[in-house]
Amino acid sequence: DAGITQSPRHKVTETGTPVTLRCHQTENHRYMYWYRQDPGHGLRLIHYSYGVKDTDKGEVSDGYSVSRSKTEDFLLTLESATSSQTSVYFCATTGGQTGNSPLHFGNGTRLTVT
Amino acid sequence: GQSLEQPSEVTAVEGAIVQINCTYQTSGFYGLSWYQQHDGGAPTFLSYNALDGLEETGRFSSFLSRSDSYGYLLLQELQMKDSASYFCAVILTYNTDKLIFGTGTRLQVFP
Repeated sequence: DAGITQSPRHKVTETGTPVTLRCHQTENHRYMYWYRQDPGHGLRLIHYSYGVKDTDKGEVSDGYSVSRSKTEDFLLTLESATSSQTSVYFCATTGGQTGNSPLHFGNGTRLTVT
Repeated sequence: GQSLEQPSEVTAVEGAIVQINCTYQTSGFYGLSWYQQHDGGAPTFLSYNALDGLEETGRFSSFLSRSDSYGYLLLQELQMKDSASYFCAVILTYNTDKLIFGTGTRLQVFP
């Protein structure tokens, strides 16, 4: 499977602090995504990237920013963390943009904002 | 907007057959995908329907009907290890980079 590493795996932070989550892939996939997963909401797209320095917003982008300076790294930043951003965050990658190019997911980052 | 609706939970016994439905409201998409996620794990790809009809992959089959805005995942010969959450997903035609997921169905298989 695609080598996707998310760091950190767990983080507890205080309201109002900035937080950066990292996604690193070794498959040279063009497309990278950040999702959040909350009970009752499934997986919701935050931001995605379709190439180095090419990013766009997803369904729930408010309060988040992303950067992709290299093919292998996609960073998600919570500019000022709020309790509503407590969630499990998944990074995913794919080499193609059609449905039969499946997404490969990282193991997730559990973020708690107190 | 776009939405993909699934039942929140389905239960069944080992050896049975279960169908997980996905109904959607979207202006256009390339096809319907299904993903499986075990508790505490990451989602993994199961199947993809580009065209209407049934696609079979071992014990799992997936169906799509664009005219009915409906799809389903069929799991046969259920095993305990099939207990997981299942998500349908689509890539929207007006933006081919976004994969949007359904709300997810938690399947519990009992002995």
